[in-house]
Amino acid sequence: AQTVTQSQPEMSVQEAETVTLSCTYDTSESDYYLFWYKQPPSRQMILVIRQEAYKQQNATENRFSVNFQKAAKSFSLKISDSQLGDAAMYFCASLASGTYKYIFGTGTRLKVLA
Amino acid sequence: NAGVTQTPKFQVLKTGQSMTLQCAQDMNHNSMYWYRQDPGMGLRLIYYSASEGTTDKGEVPNGYNVSRLNKREFSLRLESAAPSQTSVYFCASSQGQNNSPLHFGNGTRLTVT
Repeated sequence: AQTVTQSQPEMSVQEAETVTLSCTYDTSESDYYLFWYKQPPSRQMILVIRQEAYKQQNATENRFSVNFQKAAKSFSLKISDSQLGDAAMYFCASLASGTYKYIFGTGTRLKVLA
Repeated sequence: NAGVTQTPKFQVLKTGQSMTLQCAQDMNHNSMYWYRQDPGMGLRLIYYSASEGTTDKGEVPNGYNVSRLNKREFSLRLESAAPSQTSVYFCASSQGQNNSPLHFGNGTRLTVT
């Protein structure tokens, strides 16, 4: 069975600084996909970034990038130049290839300090 | 574009009452999902429908039923609500292909007293 672990319930970052949110996962599958979602106070779930496990290159979307360490089963999210609008819950999720069950971590609440 | 639309946004039920949460997507997605979100527990899958005409149980299906009415619509029914079902419920959809992300509705906050 797949599991996703986010060990940081809450993180804080100063505006304009960089923060890294941790995520580890466990899977016996050789092919899978990883995602980060953002949930602001509005409750809407928004896709931030995704990574295919077969790709060695780390995904990047503007100020958001991942550090994907396949051997360590680690998928951390780095937010550069943090903005007040980045304050939200962030969820890590995994999906085994050929399945439909996206598995989510318990989330990390990110506070951005002005 | 509406994306994924859930109704209602809020609902209060008494123990034992029934209700149906509605969900519709206009993205021509094949797969649809129902999740519940509880503090400290992330999102847990209740039921999903890989394609029109099929439904399958997720991690926490007890106390719920679903209907994939057509390709667009996927409803979640609570036959006899219990306080343990107090939660925020999210409907989501995806193309169903491997790396396609989930697209979420805005959620329904349900309180069972």
